[in-house]
Amino acid sequence: GAVVSQHPSRVICKSGTSVKIECRSLDFQATTMFWYRQFPKQSLMLMATSNEGSKATYEQGVEKDKFLINHASLTLSTLTVTSAHPEDSSFYICSANGLAGGGSYEQYFGPGTRLTVT
Amino acid sequence: LAKTTQPISMDSYEGQEVNITCSHNNIATNDYITWYQQFPSQGPRFIIQGYKTKVTNEVASLFIPADRKSSTLSLPRVSLSDTAVYYCLVGDGDTGFQKLVFGTGTRLLVSP
Repeated sequence: GAVVSQHPSRVICKSGTSVKIECRSLDFQATTMFWYRQFPKQSLMLMATSNEGSKATYEQGVEKDKFLINHASLTLSTLTVTSAHPEDSSFYICSANGLAGGGSYEQYFGPGTRLTVT
Repeated sequence: LAKTTQPISMDSYEGQEVNITCSHNNIATNDYITWYQQFPSQGPRFIIQGYKTKVTNEVASLFIPADRKSSTLSLPRVSLSDTAVYYCLVGDGDTGFQKLVFGTGTRLLVSP
């Protein structure tokens, strides 16, 4: 099946600094990627839809100036957490749409990035 | 977006069959039903997808009644490694799933 990678898998940063997380579709092109955040024992929460060549679409309550998304190519989307604070500590997961067998689409998820802000 | 409802948690024992039912009363004509499995600190992993009737693969079966307002994921002979959270989602499979909305998921605990 299709593979989506994320880098880094784990990052620790100091409060006030910025952190960039990369999401790559390794064997397919993805015009649309999605970014989720997941707190412990909770479900995934969609943060934004990343569109190749255009601005990202943010969900209600997600600050676009804090969570910068860039989708510069058909295989790469980046999420930058700016001026990170301890409450931004979470598990960040990306996904990408791709064609599955039988002609239907499915979302392929990355392995996630654990962000800890100290 | 069709909202899904599933049990918060389920318990089972090794070797048993586990059936997890999901309700999606507002499912649209073009919506497919997809189930994902998630282990702690990992991204969700695709299990199975279907549109109607029954779909079976090497790990699970998916039963979808004629009205498509619910679906049941069946895991045959579960093992300890099947302990995970299982999410049921619906989305437009013809044009690509847009904005998947995750519900609570079902936390399955398999005991020896």
